[in-house]
Amino acid sequence: QVQLQESGPGLVKTSETLSLNCSVSGGSIRNYYWSWIRQAPGRGLEWIGYIYYTGGTNYNPSLKSRVTMTLDMPKNQISLKVTSVIAADTAVYYCARGGGAMPGNLDWFDPWGQGTLVTVSS
Amino acid sequence: IVMTQSPLSLPVTPGEPASISCRSSQSLLYSNGKKFLDWYLQKPGQSPQLLIYLGSNRASGVPDRFRGSGSGTDFTLEISRVEAEDVGVYYCMQLLQTPYTFGQGTKLEIK
Repeated sequence: QVQLQESGPGLVKTSETLSLNCSVSGGSIRNYYWSWIRQAPGRGLEWIGYIYYTGGTNYNPSLKSRVTMTLDMPKNQISLKVTSVIAADTAVYYCARGGGAMPGNLDWFDPWGQGTLVTVSS
Repeated sequence: IVMTQSPLSLPVTPGEPASISCRSSQSLLYSNGKKFLDWYLQKPGQSPQLLIYLGSNRASGVPDRFRGSGSGTDFTLEISRVEAEDVGVYYCMQLLQTPYTFGQGTKLEIK
């Protein structure tokens, strides 16, 4: 059973870079999309972007200029960086595996990690 | 694509049915016949979990009291008989085109 675990600093200073990792256990990152999704306190869900196992990426235009996703196959890990953070970036950040009925399809996100809260403050 | 859910709050008596609507600003029906609409449930204190994918397919382990249906722009999640474990916030999500977007969420609570 695949499990995802996010990790990283819980507090980031305004204008600095937020860096998170997502460790995948119980399965390979091969053949799947790996997405980051965030949820500001008391708010709904916002898709940040995804990275395919081949390294191809697709980012939400609302964050595109500040976001970078990478993956480390040997470590079975996906990483997220968000530069120049502001208070509005305070959120619980989730990583999620994207897949579908056929390799290359993206029909669903499952499972999701438990999420990690990142607070941006000066 | 803007996703609009209703109602935003849904009090339900155990054993009674419940229905949540999700409307998209454009059709989620792709040329291959797939409808790129998922439903997720976020139980209190937990991360979201997949319930329904491609409009009407139940994810593994999801009870058959959950049913998803819909056309190109109008989708419905129905629970035939609500149980206490069904409380939480239900989100619809479109995966037709990026940026993928979610509905505002519908909070189901037990009366």
